[in-house]
Amino acid sequence: EPEVTQTPSHQVTQMGQEVILRCVPISNHLYFYWYRQILGQKVEFLVSFYNNEISEKSEIFDDQFSVERPDGSNFTLKIRSTKLEDSAMYFCASTAMTGGTEAFFGQGTRLTVV
Amino acid sequence: GESVGLHLPTLSVQEGDNSIINCAYSNSASDYFIWYKQESGKGPQFIIDIRSNMDKRQGQRVTVLLNKTVKHLSLQIAATQPGDSAVYFCAESQGGSQGNLIFGKGTKLSVKP
Repeated sequence: EPEVTQTPSHQVTQMGQEVILRCVPISNHLYFYWYRQILGQKVEFLVSFYNNEISEKSEIFDDQFSVERPDGSNFTLKIRSTKLEDSAMYFCASTAMTGGTEAFFGQGTRLTVV
Repeated sequence: GESVGLHLPTLSVQEGDNSIINCAYSNSASDYFIWYKQESGKGPQFIIDIRSNMDKRQGQRVTVLLNKTVKHLSLQIAATQPGDSAVYFCAESQGGSQGNLIFGKGTKLSVKP
């Protein structure tokens, strides 16, 4: 069964450092997403990406965040200068079409900012 | 320091019983709804979805009911098994140009053997 894969599974970084979270979406999917889940809280939408550009972003996705699809398979989330409150599980998801279709989620990357 | 987070509603059922998990969604313009299961340390896993032109949809051991009048969604799990123990989230989205999901708070289901 096709799956979304994320690396690393756990990333520890010092406050102020840059981190890049990596995702390989399902190969024939066209829409890509990042979500985050702070420990014990609900999953929150960060950004959606289609045709090499951001199609929508939430208030959480400020100037410290960026996304990129550097090649035909990877989809990355970069946090330029991490803050303690960026500590969370970050989930990548992909869909074949926009809206109204099942989103497949990766296993997540646990980001710990110390 | 003290951790701050949502206290999830918890549903505790006996193995073999039926479970009903409820969700109130927020946006009357939402037209697509999904139930996800999340086990500890894992990503959300799709269970079942329903579009707004339906009020009921059945899968294997699961049924989703949609009441658009009161913006309410429920997930029924028949013959609940220990492997069903997880946190269950409902999610809503608007079709068309938006694909992002808005997740509910989640309900923790505990199945007693």
